[in-house]
Amino acid sequence: EADIYQTPRYLVIGTGKKITLECSQTMGHDKMYWYQQDPGMELHLIHYSYGVNSTEKGDLSSESTVSRIRTEHFPLTLESARPSHTSQYLCASSPSGLAGGLQFFGPGTRLTVL
Amino acid sequence: AQRVTQPEKLLSVFKGAPVELKCNYSYSGSPELFWYVQYSRQRLQLLLRHISRESIKGFTADLNKGETSFHLKKPFAQEEDSAMYYCALMDSSYKLIFGSGTRLLVRP
Repeated sequence: EADIYQTPRYLVIGTGKKITLECSQTMGHDKMYWYQQDPGMELHLIHYSYGVNSTEKGDLSSESTVSRIRTEHFPLTLESARPSHTSQYLCASSPSGLAGGLQFFGPGTRLTVL
Repeated sequence: AQRVTQPEKLLSVFKGAPVELKCNYSYSGSPELFWYVQYSRQRLQLLLRHISRESIKGFTADLNKGETSFHLKKPFAQEEDSAMYYCALMDSSYKLIFGSGTRLLVRP
């Protein structure tokens, strides 16, 4: 079944740890995105990708990095987690071009950094 | 500048009352606009887009280019409509710019 998967769903970790949030999709989409959803529920784009080996920074500056080695996989990494990284992270995918507005979202990862 | 503004953080109405969630945009060109919804403990999902001119779950949204608005309306709110609603604009790179969201609370 076509879907977007995110793991882990919840993560509590100490300051300074390296973490990777996983995102994979079986939608067959070229474009993928990472959003940060803050406590006020605002959505901010932090990374996006148009396809394999393509990654771009979004509108909100983030210390995280992403990679896109396979079409279906778009992991996000924080080299050294800090309490300011505590947030909900949403992964999404969409078709390319004009259909890019039709984004499909994963269930999210809620990250807490102590 | 490309921007989406949702002026209300919270909108509380009684069941059966009409609902209007406001959205204004700033875009120099022909805009593509969307409404996304996030129900409690569910994923963010597309509700409707202006280009399809459809009614989903009783909601409609009309693009008003003169007022640069794309308000979401429903004549009779239901308790199950309680959710977070986001207006979104597709930018020139085909990415979405989301508004800050409006929480709709429909009281019995």
